[in-house]
Amino acid sequence: DAKTTQPPSMDCAEGRAANLPCNHSTISGNEYVYWYRQIHSQGPQYIIHGLKNNETNEMASLIITEDRKSSTLILPHATLRDTAVYYCIVRSRLLIQGAQKLVFGQGTRLTINP
Amino acid sequence: EAQVTQNPRYLITVTGKKLTVTCSQNMNHEYMSWYRQDPGLGLRQIYYSMNVEVTDKGDVPEGYKVSRKEKRNFPLILESPSPNQTSLYFCASSLSLAGVYEQYFGPGTRLTVT
Repeated sequence: DAKTTQPPSMDCAEGRAANLPCNHSTISGNEYVYWYRQIHSQGPQYIIHGLKNNETNEMASLIITEDRKSSTLILPHATLRDTAVYYCIVRSRLLIQGAQKLVFGQGTRLTINP
Repeated sequence: EAQVTQNPRYLITVTGKKLTVTCSQNMNHEYMSWYRQDPGLGLRQIYYSMNVEVTDKGDVPEGYKVSRKEKRNFPLILESPSPNQTSLYFCASSLSLAGVYEQYFGPGTRLTVT
């Protein structure tokens, strides 16, 4: 079962920052937050992950609230190629039941408009 | 370039004709997995492998077989395909199952069984 809640769709203007929220209120201490995206019918692509500190890489930034119950993925300067379904996933770093797979929920369909 | 490759990318076949979808990764990853993606059902894990000669069932293993004789390859075998196996298939790999490593996905294989 998915442990995350995301809005089904969002729009953003090209060149602006896209902020994608995710609620994971039942996250436990050994669980990381991962973000993936899937451009239409292509394989999912890893974006970023974090535990409790904010993270940044060449693709995006991840902001995790202090209580870890929610997070926001930020694409700082969205382009048309960022149009995709974005998945927020919570996964344990331990080898426990269920940890062998990524559980993709419905995600957020982000549309970047010119 | 680090990548996961799948072949074929597209396949149309008939019921009962055995087929194999190959998956190969060039990153020396221990963990490999097969998912299928269907509209409204999201990504569901079929089988996974934690290392050579170690495989286990995912959520929807019926009608599929896998093998892991070499670290880089993880073929998906459909002994007697049926129309309900028409789907988009993804192979994925990561450095290890334990820990917080990102998973790399292949480009997908679109299978149609008539």
